[in-house]
Amino acid sequence: GAGVSQTPSNKVTEKGKYVELRCDPISGHTALYWYRQSLGQGPEFLIYFQGTGAADDSGLPNDRFFAVRPEGSVSTLKIQRTERGDSAVYLCASSLGTGGLDTQYFGPGTRLTVL
Amino acid sequence: KNQVEQSPQSLIILEGKNCTLQCNYTVSPFSNLRWYKQDTGRGPVSLTIMTFSENTKSNGRYTATLDADTKQSSLHITASQLSDSASYICVVREYGNKLVFGAGTILRVKS
Repeated sequence: GAGVSQTPSNKVTEKGKYVELRCDPISGHTALYWYRQSLGQGPEFLIYFQGTGAADDSGLPNDRFFAVRPEGSVSTLKIQRTERGDSAVYLCASSLGTGGLDTQYFGPGTRLTVL
Repeated sequence: KNQVEQSPQSLIILEGKNCTLQCNYTVSPFSNLRWYKQDTGRGPVSLTIMTFSENTKSNGRYTATLDADTKQSSLHITASQLSDSASYICVVREYGNKLVFGAGTILRVKS
């Protein structure tokens, strides 16, 4: 079946604007994760959902960042009043469950550029 | 300070040669350790996973080792191919559900 998809693939915005990044997980996967990856670095955890609820949002850098998953499937990462430092690739991953051996499957990412 | 350190930062090898990538971690306690391959512009893809009690795990030409006492892991690639050119990321899972990623080793295989 289809893997994790993310839209848009690229987003260029101006400082101060609001952006939404979308993630479509693999069908049937209950857990969904958001990561941020800066150039030359590994992904950095932001938030993860188990079903509709955010089980751990400790990685969100500040209150400008917010994520939802209202029906337990598609998730949207929302960034308000964007800053140049928000520029990065935002990766989404999903897994069947949250057991220790559950594999997270990653999407291709959304490259966000804040001018 | 990143709790997962990888070396070297980058590596260039000739096609057909072997190479070994290193990962040292301080995450404790940890649940498992994975190696991911990330092609340019793509999301990471899991290669191997090892729990605390496992010392080695193979996936085709990829062999990962784990020494939980010294908190070190390695990824050995045998008979490298051009398609092996990618970033290889060591990921340690904390108890709970959080993954801690290393910065990755960028491997380039030349013909």
